[in-house]
Amino acid sequence: EVVLTQSPDTLSLSPGEGATLSCRASQSVNSKFLAWYQQKPGQAPRLLIYGTSNRAAGIPDRFSGSGSGTDFTLTISRLEPEDFAAYYCQQYGDSLYSFGQGTKLEIK
Amino acid sequence: EVQLVESGGGSVQPGGSLRLSCAASGFTFDNNHMNWVRQVPGKGLFWVSGIFAGDSDRRTSYADFVRGRFTISRDNAKNTVYLEMTSLRAEDTAVYYCATDPRDGYGHFDYWGQGILVTVSS
Repeated sequence: EVVLTQSPDTLSLSPGEGATLSCRASQSVNSKFLAWYQQKPGQAPRLLIYGTSNRAAGIPDRFSGSGSGTDFTLTISRLEPEDFAAYYCQQYGDSLYSFGQGTKLEIK
Repeated sequence: EVQLVESGGGSVQPGGSLRLSCAASGFTFDNNHMNWVRQVPGKGLFWVSGIFAGDSDRRTSYADFVRGRFTISRDNAKNTVYLEMTSLRAEDTAVYYCATDPRDGYGHFDYWGQGILVTVSS
């Protein structure tokens, strides 16, 4: 079973700043199978990035993903007020899926 | 418009059973792998179970913490996926989401339902 560990648990930033969220896997993950989601309170998660670096439909280009092997990154270039939320990475392998524990992005 | 609507949640005593349903519309249901993901309010996401697409390939998979207690199934004629939950425990209390994997080779969830709360308590 692949365990995903996200860091930091909480990130405090101001609108306009850039954010870097990390996701580390306990073993190598095929980069096709790494995704990122955003979740706001009371809402279902929303797909942001799939295949490590592909933006989902309607996702602004300030969101980007990168990485390979065991280390993956979600970058938000210029934070907008609506970006403050929880973010989760997710992987797929051997017919099983797993999520990281999440990073809460909060307003400083 | 894609819609996933969960139903069947509620309160149940420890050891009891419950069946969740997820009715899908707005996309080709039998081309998608269907999954259940749960979340304790205020906590993280945990994948629970998945069932592959197609009538001939009904492979299923489960997280270790539900294997042997939960059963996933799908009815492609009704565009519905089910989660039969038995031997429920307090730690199964969570919001349960239905989510689609579009079978595009990327293993991700592109659409989610609004979630349904299951409470296991005496």
